[in-house]
Order: sequence, then C-alpha cells, then structure tokens
Amino acid sequence: EVQLVNSGGGLVQPGGSLRLSCTASGFTFSDYYMDWVRQAPGKGLEWVGRIRNKANGQTTEYAASVKGRFTVSRDDSKSSLYLQMNSLKIEDTAVYFCARDNVVKAAAFDVWGQGTMVTV
Amino acid sequence: AIQLTQSPSSLSASVGDRITITCRASQDIGSALAWYQQKPGTSPKLLMYDVSTLESGVPSRFSGSGSGTDFTLSISSLQPEDFATYYCQHFKNYPFTFGPGTNVEIK
Repeated sequence: EVQLVNSGGGLVQPGGSLRLSCTASGFTFSDYYMDWVRQAPGKGLEWVGRIRNKANGQTTEYAASVKGRFTVSRDDSKSSLYLQMNSLKIEDTAVYFCARDNVVKAAAFDVWGQGTMVTV
Repeated sequence: AIQLTQSPSSLSASVGDRITITCRASQDIGSALAWYQQKPGTSPKLLMYDVSTLESGVPSRFSGSGSGTDFTLSISSLQPEDFATYYCQHFKNYPFTFGPGTNVEIK
C-alpha cells in the first residue's frame, strides 16, 4: 500500500524549532519530488515547500512565508522527508501534511500523509 | 504570486443535484490546475489534474474544464460522500497556491 506517515508535531514556544518527519512506503521514494503543505486551524491549504528528487539535484523551493526559516530535506535511504522549522511564529500553527508530487504523471499531489499538528 | 479565487465559498445542495464550482486564476496558468476534496479531520484527496484528467478511482460524476484563467469542477449527481470542501491548486510557477476552498453542505 502506498502510504505517507507524518510525525514530529507538538507544542513549541515562539522562536523555537521543530523537525517534522514523513516516512514513505509502498513506492520508490527516491523517484519522486515531495512537498509540504500546511493548514491553519479552520483555514485553507497553504503550500510550504518542495524538494526535487536526486536526479534533479534534490533542490528546494519555498513559500515566501517560510523562506529562510524552514528547510526541506530528504533521506532516500530511509524513504523519509523532513521539514526543519526554525524561528517559529504563532502564525506557523497548523497541521502539516507531506505530499507526493507526481511530476512524472502530472503536476499534482497524489498521495498525502495524515498530517501532524504544530502549535506555536 | 498567482492568486486563485473560488466561487461560491460555500453552497448547499441535495443528493442528486448537479453542482459547479469555479476557480479563477489571477493570470494565465494554462492547464496546470488540480482539484482536491477534503473532509473534516482528514488529508486532502486528489480528484483531478491537468484541469480535466480524473485521478484513478475517482467516480466519473466528477468532471473538470477550463483553460487559461477560468476553470470549473462539476459533480453531475451529488452523492452523500461528496459533501466536503473542494480546493483548486495551480502548478504554473512558485508558489503553488491553493484556492480558498468551497464548502459543499447538505441542504
């Protein structure tokens, strides 16, 4: 079964740091771009950032609201995606989802993690 | 950044109704648009990509159309499991913004 499992959320003080993880199974993780999306309580979806696959340099892109504070990384040997969040602000409070970015098929997020709650 | 607007922001409909949700982009995004469905407490589910290509397993009562700046998601005969919030998302350039969502409620 193709699956993404989010972990690492919790309560953190403003200015603090947190690292989220996303563990993949059921597909060849290293082939895919991966993204983070967040959703503040009662609000809509906000794209946070993307990391390309190794074949495309594992380069990253970020939303302006998190650039310079958040870092997306991956460890293909562990089929894992990470989001390092530094200098956290109250407005970063949200459920954070990882998503598989199926650029080979089309531009779309076709598999999602269950989300992990971050409260600042 | 490209902005997406959706209308209506919410709608009430009955089982069996046909509904249409509109997504408008602030600039031309070609066909780089996807639609998602989200139910409370769950992660979003991909419905459609490239404007009108149905994701595997999604019922054929869902359809999409449009190009450039104006797009629609239609449900031909609303089923009880379709009551949810629907989001569009573009992939033209960064950031990959989402629309604000349309909440479809039971009348």
